[in-house]
Amino acid sequence: QVHILQSGAEMKKPGASVKLSCKTSGYSFTDYFIHWVRQAPGQGLEWMGVLDPRGGATTSAQIFQGRVVMTRDTSTSTVYMELSSLKSEDTAVYYCAVDRAGATMMSSWGQGTLVTVSS
Amino acid sequence: DIQVTQSPASLSASIGDRVILTCQASQDIDNSLNWYQQQPGKAPKLLIYDGFNLEPGVPSRFSGSGSGTHFTLTINSLQPEDIATYYCQSFDGLPHLSFGGGTKVEIK
Repeated sequence: QVHILQSGAEMKKPGASVKLSCKTSGYSFTDYFIHWVRQAPGQGLEWMGVLDPRGGATTSAQIFQGRVVMTRDTSTSTVYMELSSLKSEDTAVYYCAVDRAGATMMSSWGQGTLVTVSS
Repeated sequence: DIQVTQSPASLSASIGDRVILTCQASQDIDNSLNWYQQQPGKAPKLLIYDGFNLEPGVPSRFSGSGSGTHFTLTINSLQPEDIATYYCQSFDGLPHLSFGGGTKVEIK
């Protein structure tokens, strides 16, 4: 059974960067893609990007290109997402999710990490 | 980019009612449409994938249908635990992956 544990809440100032982690277990890490999705307070879901754990290739949504970096550590089955040049509008819960289908859906979700950007 | 529009934005129904939620894609996406349920304060959960396939463990009162540009999620016999916001998500090749704005379901 897929299990996902995300890192704890973060508070950052505008202009800073934040790096979140997403530790997976219960399956072969390189079998499934990992997505990142965020949700601003009271708002809907926004897809940020996806990482292929086999070789580390990533694809991000156009609005995040140049600002998001996704990496992985196969030795610990952990995926990381770093978002730079933070603005107040980046305040949101950030979710990672496992995709068993091949970069088309989010079949298992982490508990989410709240990132607050405030001066 | 493909846009997915959900309707209604919110609805109120009684326990036992049949509820139908709609998702419209801006262009033909075949059956590349998934549905998620997000209960208050929780992470989303996959309900239906590829238009009509029920995710294991999801109650059979949930069903999905449609293809091309028009899709529906039906909840037969609404239950108290179904109070949630429901999102559709389309896929048309990376990076074209989009969520709809959501439909909030409440009990009347």
